[in-house]
Amino acid sequence: DAKTTQPPSMDCAEGRAANLPCNHSTISGNEYVYWYRQIHSQGPQYIIHGLKNNETNEMASLIITEDRKSSTLILPHATLRDTAVYYCIVRVAFKAAGNKLTFGGGTRVLVKP
Amino acid sequence: GAVVSQHPSWVICKSGTSVKIECRSLDFQATTMFWYRQFPKQSLMLMATSNEGSKATYEQGVEKDKFLINHASLTLSTLTVTSAHPEDSSFYICSAPRAGTGGNGAEAFFGQGTRLTVV
Repeated sequence: DAKTTQPPSMDCAEGRAANLPCNHSTISGNEYVYWYRQIHSQGPQYIIHGLKNNETNEMASLIITEDRKSSTLILPHATLRDTAVYYCIVRVAFKAAGNKLTFGGGTRVLVKP
Repeated sequence: GAVVSQHPSWVICKSGTSVKIECRSLDFQATTMFWYRQFPKQSLMLMATSNEGSKATYEQGVEKDKFLINHASLTLSTLTVTSAHPEDSSFYICSAPRAGTGGNGAEAFFGQGTRLTVV
């Protein structure tokens, strides 16, 4: 699975959009970009994933650059409950490769009032 | 609601005793489950892959005789920490993939985690 690089931490203001970057310059053509988050003392929670098109769901939007070497997770209106560690993971589709996830360091996001 | 349930959510045990942690998939069958360990301020580290009806696969450096895994049914995997020591104190998390829809493959769902403290 391709390696990802994320900033270790970032602060954002409550009610504002939070833009979380992720670099994955060695991504392969069949690898997806997955985002999970982990709120303190809980298991990780799936947020969103995409291959090359931008994706949006009720939690967030995922913007993937045209060359697929980086992506941005957007939390449109951050709340205090969005404070968590956000993990960007690049891997082939689950059905293809044993389904395990390899976690990097993630970005520790602190939403401030 | 939760699709993967982990129990207990926390446990304190004496050094030298064994502790069993359960991971259940609630509304789907999981032939494979994964066990992770997380130390404070660190990321999740995969310990082993639990396979229904066959032996678990352990990651390098994880002692299979110390961390016993049993995947006896399609909805239950257990992790037993044997002869626990204080350095085994950690946050243990299980994960199970569930088939997705729309051709996007499966998603990985995680249990709530179990905080083990060995005293």
